[in-house]
Amino acid sequence: NAGVTQTPKFQVLKTGQSMTLQCAQDMNHNSMYWYRQDPGMGLRLIYYSASEGTTDKGEVPNGYNVSRLNKREFSLRLESAAPSQTSVYFCASSEASTGKETQYFGPGTRLLVL
Amino acid sequence: AQSVTQLGSHVSVSEGALVLLRCNYSSSVPPYLFWYVQYPNQGLQLLLKYTSAATLVKGINGFEAEFKKSETSFHLTKPSAHMSDAAEYFCAVSRSTGRRALTFGSGTRLQVQP
Repeated sequence: NAGVTQTPKFQVLKTGQSMTLQCAQDMNHNSMYWYRQDPGMGLRLIYYSASEGTTDKGEVPNGYNVSRLNKREFSLRLESAAPSQTSVYFCASSEASTGKETQYFGPGTRLLVL
Repeated sequence: AQSVTQLGSHVSVSEGALVLLRCNYSSSVPPYLFWYVQYPNQGLQLLLKYTSAATLVKGINGFEAEFKKSETSFHLTKPSAHMSDAAEYFCAVSRSTGRRALTFGSGTRLQVQP
C-alpha cells in the first residue's frame, strides 16, 4: 500500500497563476483533508471531505477550492495564486470523521509563489 | 471553539535524558487528543492518542502521555531520549460533536545532543 500520495512534490508559481494539487489514498478511507503548514503556526485546515460527495470549509479556505473526485481522490485548486499561499500543503485521510480516528498524512507539496 | 498551546517551540535534551513536551488544550466538549511527529521533509505520523479510555496512553518509540482533565493538559514524555527522536512534535485536539477536524498546536522542535 502506498498510503497517501501527493503530486507534485514541489512547485513554483508566479502570482496569478493557477494550479491543482492532487491527492490520492489507497486505504479505502471515507474522510480526506487538506492542510497548510507555515513556520511557527502548526498545520491549519483548509478544507475537508467527511465522505464522498461532501466538502466543508476549514479554518483558512479563502483562495482555495476543492473537489472530491471519488472516494480515493481529493484535489486542491488555487485559482489565482498569491505570495501568501507560499506554504507546504499536506493531504490526509482517515477511516471516518467521528473525531477519534487517526489521520494518515501524505509527504507534502512545497509551493512557492513569486 | 478549541485550541492547543504547546509551550516551548524548541526543546533541547541530552541523549539518555528525560523528554518532556508540554501541551495544554481548551475545548468546550470532551476532547480527543493526539500527538503527531514529523521528521524532516516528511508528513506527520501518529505517536499516540487519547480517546476517553485510559488516561495514560502509551505510543510508539517509547513515548507516553497522560490526559489530565483538571489541568487541561496532555504532556508527552519519554524516559530516555535517543538521537533518532530529533523531530518536530505536534499536539492536536478534536471533538466528539460539531466539526470534528483536528486543531494543531504550533509544534515543538526536539533537539537531542550527543
